[in-house]
Amino acid sequence: KQEVTQIPAALSVPEGENLVLNCSFTDSAIYNLQWFRQDPGKGLTSLLLIQSSQREQTSGRLNASLDKSSGRSTLYIAASQPGDSATYLCAVRGFQKLVFGTGTRLLVSP
Amino acid sequence: EADIYQTPRYLVIGTGKKITLECSQTMGHDKMYWYQQDPGMELHLIHYSYGVNSTEKGDLSSESTVSRIRTEHFPLTLESARPSHTSQYLCASSRGGYAEAFFGQGTRLTVV
Repeated sequence: KQEVTQIPAALSVPEGENLVLNCSFTDSAIYNLQWFRQDPGKGLTSLLLIQSSQREQTSGRLNASLDKSSGRSTLYIAASQPGDSATYLCAVRGFQKLVFGTGTRLLVSP
Repeated sequence: EADIYQTPRYLVIGTGKKITLECSQTMGHDKMYWYQQDPGMELHLIHYSYGVNSTEKGDLSSESTVSRIRTEHFPLTLESARPSHTSQYLCASSRGGYAEAFFGQGTRLTVV
C-alpha cells in the first residue's frame, strides 16, 4: 500500500527566504506526482505535475524535482512571500488513484 | 483556472436527513473523484468514476453513494446523515487516469 510522508509538518519563515518542502513515498511504481496548495477551508489548487519520466518541473518561483527510484520529491519555493502561506500537499498517482500526504503548513511572515 | 464546481460550499443539517452534494465540471474530463478530508488530516478517496455509468468505491469506507449519469456531473448522496459524516468533501476530475487532477472548492458538511 502506497504511503506518502511530508516533512516538515509545519514551517515558519520570514519573507524572502528560499525554502524546500519534502515528500517521500514508499512505492516507486508511480505514474506521476502532483503538488497542490490548500488555503484554509478551501479546495486544492494544482501547482505542478511531474510525470514519472521527468526529473523536474518549474512554474515561476516554484521548482519541483522527482527522484522516483528513491521515492522522493522536493518543492523549492524561491523568495517566499506572505501570500505563499498555505498548506502544501504532494500526491502520487498509482493505478488510477492519487494518494496524498498529510501536508506541510507554511507560514511566511512579513 | 479549473472549471469544477461544488455546491453547496457549506451545509449544516440535522441527523437523519438525506443530502446530495453536487459536483460539476465543464472540462469534459472522463475521470471524477470524491475525497473526504477531516480538519488537519490527509485526503482519503471515497469514490471514483471512469466515465458515464461507471462508479467504484475508494480506499476509505463510506456510507455515501454516487452516480454518474452525465460526464460533467458526479453527485454524492448520504441517505441518512449522522454526526460522524461531519467533514469536508472534495470533488476532483482529470482527463484520463494519469493526467493532472483539478479540485473544486469543497463542501464543508456539519451534521448536528
